[in-house]
Amino acid sequence: KNQVEQSPQSLIILEGKNCTLQCNYTVSPFSNLRWYKQDTGRGPVSLTIMTFSENTKSNGRYTATLDADTKQSSLHITASQLSDSASYICVVRGSGGGADGLTFGKGTHLIIQP
Amino acid sequence: NAGVTQTPKFRVLKTGQSMTLLCAQDMNHEYMYWYRQDPGMGLRLIHYSVGEGTTAKGEVPDGYNVSRLKKQNFLLGLESAAPSQTSVYFCASSYSHRAAGSSPLHFGNGTRLTVT
Repeated sequence: KNQVEQSPQSLIILEGKNCTLQCNYTVSPFSNLRWYKQDTGRGPVSLTIMTFSENTKSNGRYTATLDADTKQSSLHITASQLSDSASYICVVRGSGGGADGLTFGKGTHLIIQP
Repeated sequence: NAGVTQTPKFRVLKTGQSMTLLCAQDMNHEYMYWYRQDPGMGLRLIHYSVGEGTTAKGEVPDGYNVSRLKKQNFLLGLESAAPSQTSVYFCASSYSHRAAGSSPLHFGNGTRLTVT
């Protein structure tokens, strides 16, 4: 069964610090992996997409990495800001991932404290 | 450019009542989806549509019906609400469905439904 596991479930860090969120998946065959940011009371918004051939991709202070061999991805946030407080959802697209081809992780809830 | 708009934002129903959730997108997307999001669980697909006049079942379709009479609108209906349907419902749209590339989902801001 296709699965996407995210860790940690929740994380609290001080403003200005860096953090890394993890995503492990078993979706096969793999098409792409996307990270979404979901602010409280809002819908998820796409941050970045990783395809099989990509190892690293940045979007401002967000940097995603992908190791397709070990089926692991990470999202690194640099110099965190209060506005980074949100849930971060890892979503993997593959041919076996349900009617929409997607398998969603449960998310990491990140809190940035001043 | 509003993107994906969902109405209402909040609703409280009694068991057995019916209602329709509305979703509208102005991006000319072919594909539209309804998801539910529950605490401690990932988003789960209820129904989806690959074009005007078409609908298909997702992972958790029981108790819901949908219609896509116009390309820009996707309606989710609850005929007889149950407490198990208490959830946050998200509508999403995208250019493509199973394309190997890059089309992201564009989500609305959700409808928070409570069934008592």
